[in-house]
Amino acid sequence: GAGVSQSPRYKVAKRGQDVALRCDPISGHVSLFWYQQALGQGPEFLTYFQNEAQLDKSGLPSDRFFAERPEGSVSTLKIQRTQQEDSAVYLCASSLYSSINQPQHFGDGTRLSIL
Amino acid sequence: EDQVTQSPEALRLQEGESSSLNCSYTVSGLRGLFWYRQDPGKGPEFLFTLYSAGEEKEKERLKATLTKKESFLHITAPKPEDSATYLCAGYKAAGNKLTFGGGTRVLVKP
Repeated sequence: GAGVSQSPRYKVAKRGQDVALRCDPISGHVSLFWYQQALGQGPEFLTYFQNEAQLDKSGLPSDRFFAERPEGSVSTLKIQRTQQEDSAVYLCASSLYSSINQPQHFGDGTRLSIL
Repeated sequence: EDQVTQSPEALRLQEGESSSLNCSYTVSGLRGLFWYRQDPGKGPEFLFTLYSAGEEKEKERLKATLTKKESFLHITAPKPEDSATYLCAGYKAAGNKLTFGGGTRVLVKP
């Protein structure tokens, strides 16, 4: 597609359930990023992939968060044993390659609500 | 610790009333400063990249400037369609990640 696509757009889960969020980056984009955005705040970095390699996962808040990009295109962010504090919008971004000259293009996010 | 701070948090303008948004940063190894626009329910949309102090970029009614410690986004004669949250972010080559500020919510009333 023309832009970064994320699914589902909305996800409601009960506390303790596992969730999986999907990101389809722009075709041909090597770099893929996940961010978490709390209500009224700016996005916060979670993790970064270059092709299938996860080069930085320093922003993942706990070991309940896991991301993968097995074939270097589609990525999945998984959250195990969800907690209420996990409620946020999860944004995915991609760029052609990792350089300041290549801006990150964002999807519209998945809004996750934990009850 | 890397930090990006935006002010004001919210700005209400009358159509045609020019104003400026501030982004101050302390990001070690900063390679550039990005500005994004975010509409409700949407992801951030890229506006500008600024690489060095003294640089300016313009797009329609928006002009971004950069000094060694802060960046400004000037909105000239805004229209209601300029209502959005404006985000700035510092980019450092190490990790290729963006450090965002909290954003400025701009409302332009007709």
